[in-house]
Amino acid sequence: GENVEQHPSTLSVQEGDSAVIKCTYSDSASNYFPWYKQELGKGPQLIIDIRSNVGEKKDQRIAVTLNKTAKHFSLHITETQPEDSAVYFCAASMGSARQLTFGSGTQLTVLP
Amino acid sequence: GAVVSQHPSWVICKSGTSVKIECRSLDFQATTMFWYRQFPKQSLMLMATSNEGSKATYEQGVEKDKFLINHASLTLSTLTVTSAHPEDSSFYICSALTGPSSYNSPLHFGNGTRLTVT
Repeated sequence: GENVEQHPSTLSVQEGDSAVIKCTYSDSASNYFPWYKQELGKGPQLIIDIRSNVGEKKDQRIAVTLNKTAKHFSLHITETQPEDSAVYFCAASMGSARQLTFGSGTQLTVLP
Repeated sequence: GAVVSQHPSWVICKSGTSVKIECRSLDFQATTMFWYRQFPKQSLMLMATSNEGSKATYEQGVEKDKFLINHASLTLSTLTVTSAHPEDSSFYICSALTGPSSYNSPLHFGNGTRLTVT
């Protein structure tokens, strides 16, 4: 089955700096890659997703890049703010939500 | 849009009792919902797929008789933890698809239920 590895497990940045979280996946058949933000005591919230026919997608301060050849994708957050502090999960899917495989999560802390 | 409501947000129960958790799609119809379990500082583990009008599909290692799932309408799925024990204490999260399950439709999550069994 699919295996998704996520790095780093923890990340601290100064407010205003950029943060990058990287994920690799094992199955080249995966074609959908969402990113979720989970705040303490809450469920994950979809923040951005990308499909395999696209190399990059941007939504305001958040961007995701996908390298299908290398089988890795990354989340980029620019101009970080304290409210960006949360756990971020990447995921990969081959065709259905049931097949969605999550990474292990990254605890992002934005220091004021 | 695409709001998933989960209730209760936390519950404490005594060992041996049963607990029901509700998951509702508030502004859309969800033929498919999913139930996850999350341990502290860990990722989400899929427990089962809840299909409206049919039996749930459980992942390997998940006890069907312990975690009863009912999806009686297009907006409501319930998870009942039967004869709960302390090891069942965990964070349970539901999610719902906003489109066809076969095409990577966005998955939206509820806010989770913290279950503590004493």
